[in-house]
Amino acid sequence: DAGVIQSPRHEVTEMGQEVTLRCKPISGHDYLFWYRQTMMRGLELLIYFNNNVPIDDSGMPEDRFSAKMPNASFSTLKIQPSEPRDSAVYFCASSGRQETQYFGPGTRLLVL
Amino acid sequence: AQSVTQPDIHITVSEGASLELRCNYSYGATPYLFWYVQSPGQGLQLLLKYFSGDTLVQGIKGFEAEFKRSQSSFNLRKPSVHWSDAAEYFCAVGPDRAAGNKLTFGGGTRVLVKP
Repeated sequence: DAGVIQSPRHEVTEMGQEVTLRCKPISGHDYLFWYRQTMMRGLELLIYFNNNVPIDDSGMPEDRFSAKMPNASFSTLKIQPSEPRDSAVYFCASSGRQETQYFGPGTRLLVL
Repeated sequence: AQSVTQPDIHITVSEGASLELRCNYSYGATPYLFWYVQSPGQGLQLLLKYFSGDTLVQGIKGFEAEFKRSQSSFNLRKPSVHWSDAAEYFCAVGPDRAAGNKLTFGGGTRVLVKP
């Protein structure tokens, strides 16, 4: 299995631009999680899906952030407009029924 | 609410020495417990997990952890550290049935290995 796939691996953009991060979960997993990791705040859960349906988005910092999961094999996290404080590493993780989460390699986002 | 505490933010250990990372949790029932490792610039990799049964759990890379219910702890150990073990280690507990199926992560312990 290829594991969780994220793209891009690195993204540099200017403040105000739209950023879209992509994730392909492990086949057969029915949970998908988006996390953000910063030095100051550590690892934060932003949102998670079960069977493509958003279950808990209480961690999404503000309306500039949105996430979708149109099918079982693809999810996006969008930031519009982006701000310098959004600079972080964004991880996607997926899990099956046994709650073990498998993480992707992350997307390093730098907003100038 | 469930929570995880990793009391040590940084630990420095000499190569070849033993390593123990502490993890304390708060959870209303029998927890599922996890240890993940994050090497620099990488994602989180699962080291080991405890769901039930034998309280001493073996993981990858020579790591083991012991679940102690009376102490609400799940400490990670390795008898002899290699330079490649320099990384950040995260303990996690779950699932959070009251809030879906989430895991709660500790703040992490960064391990430095001296030659």
